[in-house]
Amino acid sequence: EDKVVQSPLSLVVHEGDTVTLNCSYEVTNFRSLLWYKQEKKAPTFLFMLTSSGIEKKSGRLSSILDKKELFSILNITATQTGDSAVYLCAVEVVIGGGSEKLVFGKGTKLTVNP
Amino acid sequence: DSGVTQTPKHLITATGQRVTLRCSPRSGDLSVYWYQQSLDQGLQFLIHYYNGEERAKGNILERFSAQQFPDLHSELNLSSLELGDSALYFCASSRGRKDTQYFGPGTRLTVL
Repeated sequence: EDKVVQSPLSLVVHEGDTVTLNCSYEVTNFRSLLWYKQEKKAPTFLFMLTSSGIEKKSGRLSSILDKKELFSILNITATQTGDSAVYLCAVEVVIGGGSEKLVFGKGTKLTVNP
Repeated sequence: DSGVTQTPKHLITATGQRVTLRCSPRSGDLSVYWYQQSLDQGLQFLIHYYNGEERAKGNILERFSAQQFPDLHSELNLSSLELGDSALYFCASSRGRKDTQYFGPGTRLTVL
């Protein structure tokens, strides 16, 4: 069974701290790994990672994938209260018939206190 | 705003009833995916349509069905509703198979 595990499940930090969120996976037919941020409702896309060792950056957020060890990390530097959200890791799995599905982890709930 | 729209935003109904959730993908997107998010299960993939054709099924119950119309909007039909069907239902769309999925705002279904 395809599985995505995120840790920690929740994290409380102070503004200005740096955080690292973890995502490990065991899937049958890996295509890509994605990070989403979910605040009140819809998950919003952050990164898609397909190759090992290549860091993707967007402002204070960055992410990297290790396809050998089957994990990814999402770093957020100089955290702000607006970073408070649930961060979801999803693995895109090819399931045949010209289709794929996203398998999600349970998420890491990040709370940034002023 | 992802460009994916879903209606209604909220739906409250009784057990045994049937409801229809609607999704309009981003302009130009051919793929539509449906997901269910409940507190205990997290986000679960239900079904994928590409250009009107069903491509894959995930953890979708037989009481649930979906279709994608020629104008590419999609509907998810849930019948014989049970209390456990209460959840957030998201649709996501993408250009094609290898492109990022963008999520709609979701429909919150409450079954009483």
